[in-house]
Amino acid sequence: DAKTTQPPSMDCAEGRAANLPCNHSTISGNEYVYWYRQIHSQGPQYIIHGLKNNETNEMASLIITEDRKSSTLILPHATLRDTAVYYCIVRPYNTDKLIFGTGTRLQVFP
Amino acid sequence: DAGITQSPRHKVTETGTPVTLRCHQTENHRYMYWYRQDPGHGLRLIHYSYGVKDTDKGEVSDGYSVSRSKTEDFLLTLESATSSQTSVYFCAISESQGAWGYTFGSGTRLTVV
Repeated sequence: DAKTTQPPSMDCAEGRAANLPCNHSTISGNEYVYWYRQIHSQGPQYIIHGLKNNETNEMASLIITEDRKSSTLILPHATLRDTAVYYCIVRPYNTDKLIFGTGTRLQVFP
Repeated sequence: DAGITQSPRHKVTETGTPVTLRCHQTENHRYMYWYRQDPGHGLRLIHYSYGVKDTDKGEVSDGYSVSRSKTEDFLLTLESATSSQTSVYFCAISESQGAWGYTFGSGTRLTVV
């Protein structure tokens, strides 16, 4: 399994863009990048995923570098409700298991 | 979370006693998973199921067993609870193997004293 590296914590001002980095230098060709988040003591929530193209949905944007060795999750206008732990996960698309790392704790402040 | 219910939400038990946690879904999803979450470790997969009576081990399966006798229920059993099994347990469901499709329950907080 490809390993991901994320900073343990980040801060962001409310209303500003939050840019959460993830390194996955050993990613292989059939592996996708997934992002989940976990708001205090709740179950994790799916945010977005991608293979090599940039992706955008109603929650966030995912920017994957051309060599696919790193990616950035962008929350365009962070709110206090976005305070959570964000997990970057690299997995083949069709796989039985989803393995979490320790994630980045994002604190959005007023 | 809609369609997935964990019970109990909280439980305190004594060392050495058996404990069963239940995950119930109304989505008719094929895949079900049990995770535990501890400070400094994130979420770790205990066991998972890819159909009725079809289960497999995850990364931290020692001391746990599971059963799935019908699609909607996935049971996690601690045969003889230990203090190291004090944790928050999350169940998840997925219709397919795509990792974007996981829905997690609200968790069970288990304390072994």
